[in-house]
Amino acid sequence: KNQVEQSPQSLIILEGKNCTLQCNYTVSPFSNLRWYKQDTGRGPVSLTIMTFSENTKSNGRYTATLDADTKQSSLHITASQLSDSASYICVVSPWKLHSGGYNKLIFGAGTRLAVHP
Amino acid sequence: NAGVTQTPKFQVLKTGQSMTLQCAQDMNHNSMYWYRQDPGMGLRLIYYSASEGTTDKGEVPNGYNVSRLNKREFSLRLESAAPSQTSVYFCASSEAGENEQFFGPGTRLTVL
Repeated sequence: KNQVEQSPQSLIILEGKNCTLQCNYTVSPFSNLRWYKQDTGRGPVSLTIMTFSENTKSNGRYTATLDADTKQSSLHITASQLSDSASYICVVSPWKLHSGGYNKLIFGAGTRLAVHP
Repeated sequence: NAGVTQTPKFQVLKTGQSMTLQCAQDMNHNSMYWYRQDPGMGLRLIYYSASEGTTDKGEVPNGYNVSRLNKREFSLRLESAAPSQTSVYFCASSEAGENEQFFGPGTRLTVL
């Protein structure tokens, strides 16, 4: 069964510190892997998207890495800020044989990050 | 551009009552989606509409109906609400089924 598992479930760090969130998936083959940020009471917003052939993708202080061999991805946040407090969701899109139509997304349950002053 | 908007933001229903969740997007996207988000679980697809005039079931369609009113609007209806439908509902849209999805702010629904 295609699954996306994220760890840790929750994390507390101090402002200015770095952290790394993990995503393990069993989806194979897959088309792309995305990381979303979801602020409390808001909808998810895309941070990065990587195809199966990419190893890393950055968006400001956010850097996502992908190891397709071990089926693992990580999201590294550098110099955390209070505004980074949110849930971070890993999403995998399975490979489609034919183009067009809907491409199902498989969502992880997310990691809830709290950045304290 | 407002992006994806949803109404209402909060709703409390009694078991057996009906309601419609509204969603609209102003990005001229072809595809629209309804998801539910429950604690400890990833978002799950309820229904989607690949293009105007078409709708298809997702992973958890039971107890729901949808209407793609036009290209901009996609509504989700609960005909007879049940406590198991207590959840946060998100609408999303994308240019096409393969493209990035943009999410609305969500509707928090409680069924007593």
